[in-house]
Amino acid sequence: DVKVTQSSRYLVKRTGEKVFLECVQDMDHENMFWYRQDPGLGLRLIYFSYDVKMKEKGDIPEGYSVSREKKERFSLILESASTNQTSMYLCASSPPGLTYEQYFGPGTRLTVT
Amino acid sequence: AQSVTQLGSHVSVSEGALVLLRCNYSSSVPPYLFWYVQYPNQGLQLLLKYTSAATLVKGINGFEAEFKKSETSFHLTKPSAHMSDAAEYFCAVIYNNNDMRFGAGTRLTVKP
Repeated sequence: DVKVTQSSRYLVKRTGEKVFLECVQDMDHENMFWYRQDPGLGLRLIYFSYDVKMKEKGDIPEGYSVSREKKERFSLILESASTNQTSMYLCASSPPGLTYEQYFGPGTRLTVT
Repeated sequence: AQSVTQLGSHVSVSEGALVLLRCNYSSSVPPYLFWYVQYPNQGLQLLLKYTSAATLVKGINGFEAEFKKSETSFHLTKPSAHMSDAAEYFCAVIYNNNDMRFGAGTRLTVKP
């Protein structure tokens, strides 16, 4: 059974803190993605990666960075958390190719106070 | 910009009634299309996908969707709603790169 796990389900951080969100997949997928989900806006792509040590900006990369040192792990980093980064963060992975769906983790609900 | 539009942020139906959730895409090139469901406090789960093999696609939990190129639509239907169908539903498309685009979502409420 395919599985994408995220390090935390709920996280509360203070403004200015450095925040790490971890995502691990056990399906040997090349592609990995980070989204944020906000009411009425659907899912917006922050960053994605097609291979180890490779990253591409999505639609809203400002204030975020990522790291992919191993194929199975994709980390999202908030260098200096701000209140407008309070959101649900979803990680996903997929094989390469247009017809393959993405598999999602359970999400991390981050609150920045 | 290529995009996907879900008409209606909230849909409410009675148990046993038809469910119809609308999705339209913008592209002259037929994309690959997906419907996902999200239950409260969970990630997204694939319901079904269209990859040009057949225009009527059957998915899990009794849902199906029909790809209509002339209408640039991929609406999701279920003949008879069940209480357990209450969730948020997302339409998504992939065009000519690996970039998946999501609609804003439709929250389905099922009344007893």
